[in-house]
Amino acid sequence: EPEVTQTPSHQVTQMGQEVILRCVPISNHLYFYWYRQILGQKVEFLVSFYNNEISEKSEIFDDQFSVERPDGSNFTLKIRSTKLEDSAMYFCASSEWRSSYNEQFFGPGTRLTVL
Amino acid sequence: DQQVKQNSPSLSVQEGRISILNCDYTNSMFDYFLWYKKYPAEGPTFLISISSIKDKNEDGRFTVFLNKSAKHLSLHIVPSQPGDSAVYFCAASEETSGSRLTFGEGTQLTVNP
Repeated sequence: EPEVTQTPSHQVTQMGQEVILRCVPISNHLYFYWYRQILGQKVEFLVSFYNNEISEKSEIFDDQFSVERPDGSNFTLKIRSTKLEDSAMYFCASSEWRSSYNEQFFGPGTRLTVL
Repeated sequence: DQQVKQNSPSLSVQEGRISILNCDYTNSMFDYFLWYKKYPAEGPTFLISISSIKDKNEDGRFTVFLNKSAKHLSLHIVPSQPGDSAVYFCAASEETSGSRLTFGEGTQLTVNP
């Protein structure tokens, strides 16, 4: 069964450093997302991406964040200058269609620890 | 953000009995609702969904009920199995604001043998 994959599974970084989290969405999916879950809190939407551009972003997704689809398979989330509060599980997801009436399939997550 | 709320952080049931997980929402624009299951160290796994034009959707042991007037949905698992032990998230989306999912806090379900 096709699945979303994410690398690395765990990333430790120093405050102020740049990190890139990588995702390979399901191959025939057209819509891609990043969510995060800070320990003990809800899963929160960060950004959605369709047709090589950001479709929607939340208030969390500020100028420190960027997303890119550098080739036909990878989808990346970059945090330019990490802060302690960026420590969280980051989940990539993809869906087949753009409509909200569509299941999103999640990857296993990357645990980001900012020291 | 309290648009989707799961008031029970945990639920414990006996194997073979029914598990009922509840979810309330406040945004009347939500038109699609999903349940996800999450095991430790894994991402959320899609379980079942329902659109706002329906009041029930069934898939094997899993049934989701939607009460739009009460802004309430529930997930029934019958019969419950020990492998169902996981965190269950309710999520909602609205067509007019794209595809973002708004999640509840999650309910930890424990099914005891």
